[in-house]
Amino acid sequence: GNSVTQMEGPVTLSEEAFLTINCTYTATGYPSLFWYVQYPGEGLQLLLKATKADDKGSNKGFEATYRKETTSFHLEKGSVQVSDSAVYFCALYSGGGADGLTFGKGTHLIIQP
Amino acid sequence: EAGVVQSPRYKIIEKKQPVAFWCNPISGHNTLYWYRQNLGQGPELLIRYENEEAVDDSQLPKDRFSAERLKGVDSTLKIQPAELGDSAVYLCASSLDRVAGANEQFFGPGTRLTVL
Repeated sequence: GNSVTQMEGPVTLSEEAFLTINCTYTATGYPSLFWYVQYPGEGLQLLLKATKADDKGSNKGFEATYRKETTSFHLEKGSVQVSDSAVYFCALYSGGGADGLTFGKGTHLIIQP
Repeated sequence: EAGVVQSPRYKIIEKKQPVAFWCNPISGHNTLYWYRQNLGQGPELLIRYENEEAVDDSQLPKDRFSAERLKGVDSTLKIQPAELGDSAVYLCASSLDRVAGANEQFFGPGTRLTVL
């Protein structure tokens, strides 16, 4: 079946540091890949997505590249801000018989000023 | 444009009591999902609707959980009777349709259920 593995948190960084949150997946076929973010007290929001190999999704300074050869979709940002503190979820959608998104467990990111 | 609306935001009940959650998806979205998110975990799909038809409820514990989506718009998820292990956040999401290779889903804020 499908599965998503992402690095466990919490991840604590100083403001303006470089961020990487690792995500690898197992899926049938050619899934679409997503990063969702959950700010404190709010619902899940789509951060970025990529639908085919070598695509790069980007939004709000975050980037992730769909790497089929390593089955990875790592999230990166060059300079984090305190406002980026949240829980980040990597997810995939493979269609076919699996109709919902398959999520990782989430990574809690804490940015200190 | 309004997002996915859920109510209530919080619910505390005693075990063996019934509880219901309501969801109003984004206008025009045909596909509606219910997920359960346990503490420290990612959301897990419970049921998916295409309009008013439940097309994937394989993960829904049918002995105590039920759901409906009358008229293909609003949806209600019910638990009867609730057990301690049902404490979780129940998320509703909607998408425009099941576009192959994309399936961007929009999530509501969730209902946090605590069973005592």
